Amino acid sequence: DQQVKQNSPSLSVQEGRISILNCDYTNSMFDYFLWYKKYPAEGPTFLISISSIKDKNEDGRFTVFLNKSAKHLSLHIVPSQPGDSAVYFCAATETGANNLFFGTGTRLTVIP
Amino acid sequence: GAGVSQSPSNKVTEKGKDVELRCDPISGHTALYWYRQRLGQGLEFLIYFQGNSAPDKSGLPSDRFSAERTGESVSTLTIQRTQQEDSAVYLCASSPLGGSPYNEQFFGPGTRLTVL
Repeated sequence: DQQVKQNSPSLSVQEGRISILNCDYTNSMFDYFLWYKKYPAEGPTFLISISSIKDKNEDGRFTVFLNKSAKHLSLHIVPSQPGDSAVYFCAATETGANNLFFGTGTRLTVIP
Repeated sequence: GAGVSQSPSNKVTEKGKDVELRCDPISGHTALYWYRQRLGQGLEFLIYFQGNSAPDKSGLPSDRFSAERTGESVSTLTIQRTQQEDSAVYLCASSPLGGSPYNEQFFGPGTRLTVL
């Protein structure tokens, strides 16, 4: 059973516009959330994270929002750049767990 | 580079054969994870090593899967009597502090396994 879900397999955005990637989770015990970015033929690389005690975390052009009541988080990229084109994975974990639970990924294409 | 390396990058095998996948973590990283990603699915946790502690094998899908790690260095993932559903990209990750998935995991490029 998929505990972390990314329902949009792909997203296309014009350069300079905002990209919004969404993620939903089912396990209310999850207390830490991460976004990873993956280029073809490379492993995922960490992008940004958020603890459940916060509802927003910002790092440059990247902002992650967490809505615990809705069990939903989103990644905003502003402004989007062609180099942002990649697959983005949402991941979650809980205190005491040894591993991350990943979504299926969203392929972002930023059109120049 | 000093990143996580995996070999081979691609492996094609026949159903029923055994395969061995290798992971070289970043030097000094105490934690090592194996994940797999089957087509259209997310990364699926397989096994976790932390120092000299007993590994967490809770993600291994069957007894055909096993993994070893020597100290804090190389790890090998072995799949015996491969089946077509084992076809996936197998990803290894290491973490510098270990003990918690809160710590950033550094991923290798993966091994793409195809079972014919």
